[in-house]
Amino acid sequence: AQKITQTQPGMFVQEKEAVTLDCTYDTSDPSYGLFWYKQPSSGEMIFLIYQGSYDQQNATEGRYSLNFQKARKSANLVISASQLGDSAMYFCAMRGGLRDDKIIFGKGTRLHILP
Amino acid sequence: DAGVIQSPRHEVTEMGQEVTLRCKPISGHDYLFWYRQTMMRGLELLIYFNNNVPIDDSGMPEDRFSAKMPNASFSTLKIQPSEPRDSAVYFCASSHRGTSPNTIYFGEGSWLTVV
Repeated sequence: AQKITQTQPGMFVQEKEAVTLDCTYDTSDPSYGLFWYKQPSSGEMIFLIYQGSYDQQNATEGRYSLNFQKARKSANLVISASQLGDSAMYFCAMRGGLRDDKIIFGKGTRLHILP
Repeated sequence: DAGVIQSPRHEVTEMGQEVTLRCKPISGHDYLFWYRQTMMRGLELLIYFNNNVPIDDSGMPEDRFSAKMPNASFSTLKIQPSEPRDSAVYFCASSHRGTSPNTIYFGEGSWLTVV
């Protein structure tokens, strides 16, 4: 069965510093995708970044990058130069391959950016 | 292009009443997901459909919950009878397997309060 683990319930970071949000996963499917979503206080779910299991390079999207370590089954989100608007809940998610293509989410990490 | 549309956005109902949540996925998407979000349990996958067929309903909490997808552009999640512990935000999401990244797009959620 698929599993996503986010071990940091909350984090406080000073504005302009880099942030790493941890995510580990477990699956027996050789083909899978990993995602990060942001949920601000308004409640909407915003897609940030995607990494495929066969992708050779780490995904990047602007200030977001995904530190993908396949052997360790980790997919940490790195936010560079954090901003006050980055304060939100962040969810790691995984989608399996054709054998099990549902998308499951971790419990989330609440990030607070301090001015 | 319109996103995933959910209704109602907010509902307050009395225990024992029937609740129907509605979802219109993004046109052309072949997957539809229903999630429930609470503080205690995070984001739980309730059920998902592929090409209007329910694939996995193992997350549906009990027989009081049912979901249907009569066509590619409409789905309902019904709770009958509702209980206070059903109070949560219910998200509908859709995706198209053939796109890259293979992500899902969320509606704004239906905020349900059962009193």
